[in-house]
Amino acid sequence: ELKVEQNPLFLSMQEGKNYTIYCNYSTTSDRLYWYRQDPGKSLESLFVLLSNGAVKQEGRLMASLDTKARLSTLHITAAVHDLSATYFCAVDNNPLNGSGAGSYQLTFGKGTKLSVIP
Amino acid sequence: DTGVSQNPRHKITKRGQNVTFRCDPISEHNRLYWYRQTLGQGPEFLTYFQNEAQLEKSRLLSDRFSAERPKGSFSTLEIQRTEQGDSAMYLCASRKSDSNTEAFFGQGTRLTVV
Repeated sequence: ELKVEQNPLFLSMQEGKNYTIYCNYSTTSDRLYWYRQDPGKSLESLFVLLSNGAVKQEGRLMASLDTKARLSTLHITAAVHDLSATYFCAVDNNPLNGSGAGSYQLTFGKGTKLSVIP
Repeated sequence: DTGVSQNPRHKITKRGQNVTFRCDPISEHNRLYWYRQTLGQGPEFLTYFQNEAQLEKSRLLSDRFSAERPKGSFSTLEIQRTEQGDSAMYLCASRKSDSNTEAFFGQGTRLTVV
């Protein structure tokens, strides 16, 4: 069974500081997604990481994927209050043989609740 | 708005009643997923459809739950004889069958069983 672990689960940081959220997963996969969720809202797609070594950046957020270590990181640079939200990583349960027959369902981590304090 | 649409947004029901939720996916997306999210947790997979065929169900989906996608477009999720433990946000997502695209989520239906 695929397990996805995020840490930290709670993060309080000051504006202007940098920090990294970690996402570890238990089985081979080369498809990983980061989502943002605001309180009471649905999930907003942030990044799609599709291969080992993939790095994507959008504004103050940068995500990377190391499939050999089964690790993805979400790095926050010079945090601002608007980044306060819960961030989820999700791993695709794709078949190893790449036949395309899998369901590509997502297994999510528990989320990291980020609070950026002025 | 061409995103994933869910109705109703909120539902309060008494224990033992049946409830039904609807999801309208993005029009060209042939895969549709239902997830459940409880407070403080990440979404958990319930079931998914490719077109009208329900291809996989999680063990979380007890026999009180049933999902349909009759014409391969919208989907419904019904919960019979609701229990307090069913209280959660029910999220619908859709994506193309190309595995290299992300799933897009609807706003969710928040169910409260009293």
